[in-house]
Amino acid sequence: DTGVSQDPRHKITKRGQNVTFRCDPISEHNRLYWYRQTLGQGPEFLTYFQNEAQLEKSRLLSDRFSAERPKGSFSTLEIQRTEQGDSAMYLCASSFGGDIQYFGAGTRLSVL
Amino acid sequence: GQNIDQPTEMTATEGAIVQINCTYQTSGFNGLFWYQQHAGEAPTFLSYNVLDGLEEKGRFSSFLSRSKGYSYLLLKELQMKDSASYLCAVLNTPLVFGKGTRLSVIA
Repeated sequence: DTGVSQDPRHKITKRGQNVTFRCDPISEHNRLYWYRQTLGQGPEFLTYFQNEAQLEKSRLLSDRFSAERPKGSFSTLEIQRTEQGDSAMYLCASSFGGDIQYFGAGTRLSVL
Repeated sequence: GQNIDQPTEMTATEGAIVQINCTYQTSGFNGLFWYQQHAGEAPTFLSYNVLDGLEEKGRFSSFLSRSKGYSYLLLKELQMKDSASYLCAVLNTPLVFGKGTRLSVIA
């Protein structure tokens, strides 16, 4: 299967710890997006990359959040000093230009 | 601002037709998308409208009226496996999503 893959699928952490998630997009896609989804809500945009350049960040993305896409392929999303309010599903999507975005299965974060 | 409205929940009978409406007010518009999401899974692309009119894809159709800020998703010959959330999203790079409509298909 050559879809979008995310790792890990589930992460449980204690408040104050740092966590890092990885996303591998569909290989020919130049754009990569991060979204966050909480129960009963639609996904909310966090940030996106075109190749290795981070083109936009949501105001939802506090200073504790950082994302990278160093070689224009996979991406990582790090959350420092996690808070209980960070508990959510973190979704990654990729596209070729402004075309259809295809989503990965997500990483479910639980902050205790 | 960005505002996308869709009903929270709908129930329909197996074999029937259901229409899920979506209205939007966004600062930009580059297309309207519909995704299906089963509980605990990733959103899966269903359809995409850029121009006004109806797009048909098997049992699923989607309609767009840009002047009215309105779209609908039509599901025909409902099956139990169609029970899921349906997300309306406007492409304003990135996607701006509504809260989703949870559809329950009953026998």
